[in-house]
Amino acid sequence: AQTVTQSQPEMSVQEAETVTLSCTYDTSESDYYLFWYKQPPSRQMILVIRQEAYKQQNATENRFSVNFQKAAKSFSLKISDSQLGDAAMYFCAYVSGSARQLTFGSGTQLTVLP
Amino acid sequence: SAVISQKPSRDICQRGTSLTIQCQVDSQVTMMFWYRQQPGQSLTLIATANQGSEATYESGFVIDKFPISRPNLTFSTLTVSNMSPEDSSIYLCSVEALGAYEQYFGPGTRLTVT
Repeated sequence: AQTVTQSQPEMSVQEAETVTLSCTYDTSESDYYLFWYKQPPSRQMILVIRQEAYKQQNATENRFSVNFQKAAKSFSLKISDSQLGDAAMYFCAYVSGSARQLTFGSGTQLTVLP
Repeated sequence: SAVISQKPSRDICQRGTSLTIQCQVDSQVTMMFWYRQQPGQSLTLIATANQGSEATYESGFVIDKFPISRPNLTFSTLTVSNMSPEDSSIYLCSVEALGAYEQYFGPGTRLTVT
């Protein structure tokens, strides 16, 4: 079974600084996709960024970028120029190309300090 | 991305009763999913609902407790039956993006059972 591990229950960052959230996963599949979702207090799940396993290039979306290390099964999220609106719970998620069900990590609560 | 609505947004229910949660999507989608998020926890998949077929339940979830309907490609319902305080959670529906593997989520239903 696939597992997703987020080892940082809580993180904090100063406004305008950079923070990196960690995620590791375990799978025997070769075709899979990885995601970071954000859940603010409103509880709405928002897709932040996605990474296809077959792509070597790390995905970027504005201030958000990932460091995808396929051999190490690591998928970290870097948030640059942190803003107060970035404060939320962040979930790392995995889906295989065949199964289609998302498996979530336990989440990292990010606090942005003014 | 799809626009997803859920009704009700929150409810407080007595133990032993049932609640039906509705999920409406603004476009036709093949795969819909129902998740449970217990207080302070990550998301756990309850079942996958495909139109025209029986829902597929994950381990630990049974149809008698969580019956699901999927009458068409834009709508689904999840019923939480014979509720107990342990069913107090946020229930979220999601849809798979067409031609992709990411999922988009509804705003969730916060259920409290007293």
